Amino acid sequence: GAGVSQSPRYKVAKRGQDVALRCDPISGHVSLFWYQQALGQGPEFLTYFQNEAQLDKSGLPSDRFFAERPEGSVSTLKIQRTQQEDSAVYLCASSLDEQTRNQPQHFGDGTRLSIL
Amino acid sequence: QQQVKQSPQSLIVQKGGISIINCAYENTAFDYFPWYQQFPGKGPALLIAIRPDVSEKKEGRFTISFNKSAKQFSLHIMDSQPGDSATYFCAAKHQGGSEKLVFGKGTKLTVNP
Repeated sequence: GAGVSQSPRYKVAKRGQDVALRCDPISGHVSLFWYQQALGQGPEFLTYFQNEAQLDKSGLPSDRFFAERPEGSVSTLKIQRTQQEDSAVYLCASSLDEQTRNQPQHFGDGTRLSIL
Repeated sequence: QQQVKQSPQSLIVQKGGISIINCAYENTAFDYFPWYQQFPGKGPALLIAIRPDVSEKKEGRFTISFNKSAKQFSLHIMDSQPGDSATYFCAAKHQGGSEKLVFGKGTKLTVNP
């Protein structure tokens, strides 16, 4: 399909394990965003990239979270030493062109992370 | 600190009725206000968006009304249908700087047949 693809769709991990979540943006989209959505809440911003540059990581909740987009397309969000409070849906979004502001952000269906 | 306040938390409307969801913000640096629709198990999908230099924008059955002086904006869904049953989020973005969106907490809309 032509949309944002996230994998895995579901991830269960034990507390203390490391996890990696993948996002494949829409082809040609320059900007890529990660959001965290707790149950019954709105998405909360984590970080965003323009091509391979991470321009804003102000929403990452701790140094256990980091994201990368080494070639400016696929991105990985990594969470080290997971805690129960990390349980949430992690959403990825992409948009076409950073040079034009207010481009629509297109979301994937997310990865539901459960920490036991 | 919640930057975008959304109400009501839940809303039940009869088929054919008008659904109204309200949002308020404090930060006058916001310059872009989208609305997203989310179905269970799916990601948010953009419905409609507005900038503060426009007081109203309509797309099909969906209308955004924007009151810059009151720092409020609302989504109206005309002729609501059962297929509109979903959670709706308002959002806002700062002018300049990061393109990140700040979301409200969402409104769960149920349209009864």
